[in-house]
Amino acid sequence: AQKVTQAQTEISVVEKEDVTLDCVYETRDTTYYLFWYKQPPSGELVFLIRRNSFDEQNEISGRYSWNFQKSTSSFNFTITASQVVDSAVYFCALNHNTDKLIFGTGTRLQVFP
Amino acid sequence: ETGVTQTPRHLVMGMTNKKSLKCEQHLGHNAMYWYKQSAKKPLELMFVYSLEERVENNSVPSRFSPECPNSSHLFLHLHTLQPEDSALYLCASSQDKSAGVYEQYFGPGTRLTVT
Repeated sequence: AQKVTQAQTEISVVEKEDVTLDCVYETRDTTYYLFWYKQPPSGELVFLIRRNSFDEQNEISGRYSWNFQKSTSSFNFTITASQVVDSAVYFCALNHNTDKLIFGTGTRLQVFP
Repeated sequence: ETGVTQTPRHLVMGMTNKKSLKCEQHLGHNAMYWYKQSAKKPLELMFVYSLEERVENNSVPSRFSPECPNSSHLFLHLHTLQPEDSALYLCASSQDKSAGVYEQYFGPGTRLTVT
């Protein structure tokens, strides 16, 4: 079965702190894709990153970085020097070469000034 | 307008009403999706359309009826809903329906309350 687990329901940090959002996935497929989306209070999900199962290189984009570890089936997301504008719900998602994205339950991040 | 738009943003309806949600994408994509987002539950995929043809119906009750008249527009017709149908309904589009290869772009959603 395919499943995505985001064990952290809610995280609160103070501005400029680093924060890591955890994502653990389950799949029997060897070819799959992992995603992170951000959902700000306005509602729309904003695409952040896609990673395929054959590319385990970590990625950095500005203050965002992602750590993909196949050995532990994890795809964690770190925000460095967090800002108030980072406050949102963050979703990890899995696709196993079908039309369907399987989402986790999301982690609500609150960044306080 | 850019991206994916949805109207209305908020809707309150009684259980005997009939209403429709509208989604429009301005990205030239070929695939469109309806998702349901309830509190404390993962996003649930409801329907997938590719080139105006429904390719997935994820065991959705018949009181939800989708319509895709062209690749830019997607509707969700609602009738005789239940209070548990209250949720945020999100529309998305992607270049093609292979969800792994093509990222999905989401609209802001319609917050539906069934009274």
